[in-house]
Amino acid sequence: DSGVTQTPKHLITATGQRVTLRCSPRSGDLSVYWYQQSLDQGLQFLIHYYNGEERAKGNILERFSAQQFPDLHSELNLSSLELGDSALYFCASSRTGGADTQYFGPGTRLTVL
Amino acid sequence: GDSVTQMEGPVTLSEEAFLTINCTYTATGYPSLFWYVQYPGEGLQLLLKATKADDKGSNKGFEATYRKETTSFHLEKGSVQVSDSAVYFCALSAYYNSGNTPLVFGKGTRLSVIA
Repeated sequence: DSGVTQTPKHLITATGQRVTLRCSPRSGDLSVYWYQQSLDQGLQFLIHYYNGEERAKGNILERFSAQQFPDLHSELNLSSLELGDSALYFCASSRTGGADTQYFGPGTRLTVL
Repeated sequence: GDSVTQMEGPVTLSEEAFLTINCTYTATGYPSLFWYVQYPGEGLQLLLKATKADDKGSNKGFEATYRKETTSFHLEKGSVQVSDSAVYFCALSAYYNSGNTPLVFGKGTRLSVIA
């Protein structure tokens, strides 16, 4: 158990819908990262928050957004969903950022039908 | 941009065989290198890391040496067990003036160990 929690574990929805994925980092960790894992693209970095502020953006679509709240949990919002958004979404946390070890949550499996 | 290339799988070995999974990287900054492991149905776990050239990371019988001259970080284990069956990811985080980049992952190598 990494100490990072993600909810829900599974999510099945239809095209065009909007969903919210939630992540609670390890106690004391200030950084939260979101990654998407799909068969064709592999593991791709989406976005990084540090202590409530956006620090870096990767291959995140405009239809996707995220935020980190004062209690340091984070939410990833995916809207106007397409079939190709079906993937595993991982959250990871680290103490600060940089080359600190990132601890991964168990992931949310999103299926768009 | 920064990138990681690792050998394609799947790799199938008999128990107690020697394991090598090759990983090479490209980075213009100063990378730290990582191996993560993903067991079926689970998230990624850090297996080992190295933050500077010639460092050797080791954990659970696995080891990898940061080789700057060959830009490599190959994963090795002397005697694999069935419980080592998983997907292994090589990754890097490079330091630039603006700070470290998020992790850049290779495509992963699936290892199956048979008894």
